[in-house]
Amino acid sequence: AQKITQTQPGMFVQEKEAVTLDCTYDTSDQSYGLFWYKQPSSGEMIFLIYQGSYDEQNATEGRYSLNFQKARKSANLVISASQLGDSAMYFCAMRDRGYSTLTFGKGTMLLVSP
Amino acid sequence: DGGITQSPKYLFRKEGQNVTLSCEQNLNHDAMYWYRQDPGQGLRLIYYSQIVNDFQKGDIAEGYSVSREKKESFPLTVTSAQKNPTAFYLCASSLSRGSSEQYFGPGTRLTVT
Repeated sequence: AQKITQTQPGMFVQEKEAVTLDCTYDTSDQSYGLFWYKQPSSGEMIFLIYQGSYDEQNATEGRYSLNFQKARKSANLVISASQLGDSAMYFCAMRDRGYSTLTFGKGTMLLVSP
Repeated sequence: DGGITQSPKYLFRKEGQNVTLSCEQNLNHDAMYWYRQDPGQGLRLIYYSQIVNDFQKGDIAEGYSVSREKKESFPLTVTSAQKNPTAFYLCASSLSRGSSEQYFGPGTRLTVT
């Protein structure tokens, strides 16, 4: 069975600093996809970044980058130059072998202070 | 604007009543999903549908039912058999089952007393 672990219940960072949110995963599949979503207090889930298991390079999307270490089964999200609007819950998720469903971690609450 | 709509945003029901949550998308996506979120928890999959008139159970399907009669619509019924129905429910869709991204609706917060 697939499993996503996010060990940081909460993280604090000052505005303009970089922050890393941890995610480790467990799967026996060779082909899989890893996702990060942001959930503001309003509740909607916002897609941030995707990394395929066969992608050679780490994914980047603007201020977001995914530090993918396949051998360690980790897919950490790095947010550079944090902004106040980055305060939210962040979820790591994995797509299964059937490429149809996502398994989510329990999330990390990020608070950005001025 | 293309997107996913869920209505209502807040829903209150008495224990023992069935309630249906609406999910509509105009993205022309084939696949649709229902998730449940409890406080301090991640999302858990209830049901998903990859094509019209077909759907599969997710990890926590007991006490729920769905239908997929139209491509645009995937309503979720929370039945009286669901032991702890109070939660935040999120609907999502993706272009196909192999798509790299799921798009989410704004969610419905259901409270059953």
